[in-house]
Parts: sequence; structure tokens; C-alpha cells
Amino acid sequence: GAVVSQHPSWVICKSGTSVKIECRSLDFQATTMFWYRQFPKQSLMLMATSNEGSKATYEQGVEKDKFLINHASLTLSTLTVTSAHPEDSSFYICSARDLKGLALYEQYFGPGTRLTVT
Amino acid sequence: AQKVTQAQTEISVVEKEDVTLDCVYETRDTTYYLFWYKQPPSGELVFLIRRNSFDEQNEISGRYSWNFQKSTSSFNFTITASQVVDSAVYFCALTGGGADGLTFGKGTHLIIQP
Repeated sequence: GAVVSQHPSWVICKSGTSVKIECRSLDFQATTMFWYRQFPKQSLMLMATSNEGSKATYEQGVEKDKFLINHASLTLSTLTVTSAHPEDSSFYICSARDLKGLALYEQYFGPGTRLTVT
Repeated sequence: AQKVTQAQTEISVVEKEDVTLDCVYETRDTTYYLFWYKQPPSGELVFLIRRNSFDEQNEISGRYSWNFQKSTSSFNFTITASQVVDSAVYFCALTGGGADGLTFGKGTHLIIQP
């Protein structure tokens, strides 16, 4: 159980275009989802936290107008990179947590999406 | 603010050697959770272990063992009789739980040479 999927697994887009990444919890309700970014050979950095039905909370230094997060249902969160530029090329990983369950500390990670902006 | 330090950027050992990956953390929370993840070249994170702040018992799982010491704020990970398949980047992470995301260390790139 506790499977999280991401789509697409990789995407190449041209500079200036927008790209949407989906994160789905397949067998549980994700009251909270997290988005992380990992540049090559670096660590994972939390970008934002989204709760179902409310606005996302962004970490310091993350542009909320550039990285649009929508958590419209208990099983789906989307990250849209708007007007992407080469410096946005990165590995984006989502994770999901079920705060209604007893495992308040558990985060289930998706497999990640590799974004390349040309 | 929370912080996780993995001082070892890269470790290279010969197969069958034992290797320890260090993790030191900082937090003001009295309740917190520590994790270790393995990240192979594919990028997908593989969960290895979770420890809460109230449980200082060391844990062993096959060739893997973990030493949690609150007195030194450390949560070290040892692989016994390392194998080539253990080669990966290993991350230590920390959270206060609830609506908090994970704070990751910078990772240790482990290379096991045949």
C-alpha cells in the first residue's frame, strides 16, 4: 500500500513554455502533499506544502507565481512550472501524507519527474 | 530551524568492507522523526528506516544497522559486508511530523568497488 505516482516521469520543454507535473496517491487519501526539487548532485529541497482545498505554503526563496501548486482533491496535486527557463531544469519529487491516519510522520514519495528546459 | 549534516560527501570502499555513514541533526522540537533513504541512479527514493525521538534503540536489518544517540544528536548508518549493489547516494532526513516536510542532509555518495 501507500503508493504515490508521478506523471510524466520525464519531460523536455522549450524555454518560455509551461509544464504541468501530476502527483497522485493511488491507495490512500493524501491530506497533505509536498513538492521537492533536486538539482544534479545536490540534496532534495522542500519547495512547498499543499493541503487539500487550500493554498500552498511556499518555502523561502520559491516563487509562488512561477511554481503553481493545486491540490484540488485528496488524491491529486499538480505542480505547474510557468514560463520555464533552463535554470528550472531539475528533478521534481512529490510526497504525500495521510494526516487522518495514525502515521503522522510518514511521507510516501513519488518516483520523481525529470524536467529539462531547452 | 532544522538542520541535517552529512559531512561525508563521498565514500569509496572495497566490497565486503564495513562502512558507516554519519548523520548529525539539529532541531528544537522535542518530538521528531529521523529517516534514511537510498537514492540509486534512477532517482527514486528508497525508504530504509524511520526513528522517532523517543526510541533510542539501535536497529539491525540484515546487513544494515543504525545507531541513534540523542546525546550527540547523531543517527549513523552502518552497512556490514558491503556489496556493489549498495552503491548509491544515501540521505539522512528529519521532520517534526504533522504538516512539516522533510529536511534532508546533502547526501553521501557511497561507492562500493568490486
